[in-house]
Amino acid sequence: GAGVSQSPSNKVTEKGKDVELRCDPISGHTALYWYRQSLGQGLEFLIYFQGNSAPDKSGLPSDRFSAERTGGSVSTLTIQRTQQEDSAVYLCAGVPDRGHEQFFGPGTRLTVL
Amino acid sequence: AQSVTQPDIHITVSEGASLELRCNYSYGATPYLFWYVQSPGQGLQLLLKYFSGDTLVQGIKGFEAEFKRSQSSFNLRKPSVHWSDAAEYFCAVAPGNTGKLIFGQGTTLQVKP
Repeated sequence: GAGVSQSPSNKVTEKGKDVELRCDPISGHTALYWYRQSLGQGLEFLIYFQGNSAPDKSGLPSDRFSAERTGGSVSTLTIQRTQQEDSAVYLCAGVPDRGHEQFFGPGTRLTVL
Repeated sequence: AQSVTQPDIHITVSEGASLELRCNYSYGATPYLFWYVQSPGQGLQLLLKYFSGDTLVQGIKGFEAEFKRSQSSFNLRKPSVHWSDAAEYFCAVAPGNTGKLIFGQGTTLQVKP
């Protein structure tokens, strides 16, 4: 596809369960970012991957959150032992090599019951 | 710490009227500056960006923004608003070289017929 895709588009889970959110960036985008959008906190940076460098995890809110990026392409954000405050829309964005514009996916809406 | 302030949480304008959305940032140097728009249920779409050079930048959908260093502002304008412009607008800065976006809280634009 031409754009960034994220799956699932919606995820409802029970408190305490683990969830995995997937991001497929545009081919060739070397940098990838995850953000969280929630009513109380607005849009917050979570984690950033750039090429083969170690990811910048400075925005992850707790050690229950982790992310990986395989083969410099697809990325998975994992939330372990979900809590109700994890309910939010999780957005990923890619950036082309030597670019600065972030291309966002449609997001995954996570609801923790 | 870097921050972005969008003073207006909600703005209502009549269709055909002019629009200005305010954005102020806090950062020691000139960051990269962005305006994004988010329609209901959609991801973020870039309207325009400023990196350097001419302080008046043109974007998509007839939007423009002016960078004023002395006021640490990057206000978004449109001379004539259309009903389809109703959405949430986010100002963002990317300080330094990481590209991590720091977002304002957003301004919701309502357009009256």
